[in-house]
Amino acid sequence: QKEVEQDPGPLSVPEGAIVSLNCTYSNSAFQYFMWYRQYSRKGPELLMYTYSSGNKEDGRFTAQVDKSSKYISLFIRDSQPSDSATYLCAMSPTGNQFYFGTGTSLTVIP
Amino acid sequence: GAVVSQHPSRVICKSGTSVKIECRSLDFQATTMFWYRQFPKQSLMLMATSNEGSKATYEQGVEKDKFLINHASLTLSTLTVTSAHPEDSSFYICSARQPTVHTEAFFGQGTRLTVV
Repeated sequence: QKEVEQDPGPLSVPEGAIVSLNCTYSNSAFQYFMWYRQYSRKGPELLMYTYSSGNKEDGRFTAQVDKSSKYISLFIRDSQPSDSATYLCAMSPTGNQFYFGTGTSLTVIP
Repeated sequence: GAVVSQHPSRVICKSGTSVKIECRSLDFQATTMFWYRQFPKQSLMLMATSNEGSKATYEQGVEKDKFLINHASLTLSTLTVTSAHPEDSSFYICSARQPTVHTEAFFGQGTRLTVV
């Protein structure tokens, strides 16, 4: 079983839609949870970072962590074509070694 | 945010030759840098952790003699793919972590290596 499971998609939504991206994990020791956005042929860029459980909001992006269910989500409100990218979840028990999901490919159609 | 620069962004080399990829932290000192490999539609696979002034720590299954890592300064780590073969063709990405913000890693732009 992989440490982190993420549906690779692809996911296609119309502009303005709410997007929900999810990851599940098996290691209960994970405490640090991150979402990265990766455009084609580029390195990932950090979008959101959450420690332990709870929600975090930044503009149109909301990250949720449910440690009891070992489930994390990233919501994108009012999605834009510029949001089209691959979204990677990553998590870590100590902040040293990161475990990445496979990434979900998102296309926002104008 | 902090900037990590990776060079070159794309390289094509002949089978049997060696290729060096550089990873620089431009506005902070990175005591730890990470090297990843990413295949199409797959996750980032950690290859090795590079610590300044000491030997790199390689993940299981990664050949340390083939993927040479040098972290000679607090702002530069290099990955050399020795005697490259077509199966080494991949997207290589480095990341660096600020010492005071250990959970936030910044990624380079990635290097697309094609071995012909």
